[in-house]
Amino acid sequence: DTAVSQTPKYLVTQMGNDKSIKCEQNLGHDTMYWYKQDSKKFLKIMFSYNNKELIINETVPNRFSPKSPDKAHLNLHINSLELGDSAVYFCASSQAGGSTDTQYFGPGTRLTVL
Amino acid sequence: GQSLEQPSEVTAVEGAIVQINCTYQTSGFYGLSWYQQHDGGAPTFLSYNALDGLEETGRFSSFLSRSDSYGYLLLQELQMKDSASYFCAVGDYGQNFVFGPGTRLSVLP
Repeated sequence: DTAVSQTPKYLVTQMGNDKSIKCEQNLGHDTMYWYKQDSKKFLKIMFSYNNKELIINETVPNRFSPKSPDKAHLNLHINSLELGDSAVYFCASSQAGGSTDTQYFGPGTRLTVL
Repeated sequence: GQSLEQPSEVTAVEGAIVQINCTYQTSGFYGLSWYQQHDGGAPTFLSYNALDGLEETGRFSSFLSRSDSYGYLLLQELQMKDSASYFCAVGDYGQNFVFGPGTRLSVLP
């Protein structure tokens, strides 16, 4: 059983398009995250979210928005895609969301914007 | 703000011991974590230190000195499969979680 899953694994699209990446976790965790990993492998948190609070990294453009239909899902919507959005996006989850919690990562979605 | 520093690359031979250092500057601190990421894969958790000292898990150990804002990951009896990127990460008093730039470890035969 896959603990944290993401779809699609690869996403190739044109500049200006709107796209979504889906994430699901079956660990029963309370908090989910989105990370962006660029070509130099820098891993930066974009959002952390539980049913009480959404924390947004202030450097994330408002073209990016997380949407959570329930505790097990956190999808990432991206509007008006730009070339600089090309990266690998990882979803993750943790038990309670404290900064001491182990994070479990999904397999990643490689987004290429042409 | 928070910042972490790690060496960008480390090379060692099979069977050797290698140490990957991490220094950090944070406005708050709950602990230092280490994650491993193979090429094309996802980061996976290795270890966590909240208090000073050494934590040992099999061939991997992690050390923390809070007074020096410093930690390291020690890998013993290196194997080819240990070739990967290793990230230290710091959590602070909120839900903020910051990863270091990563250290690429190459294990040679």
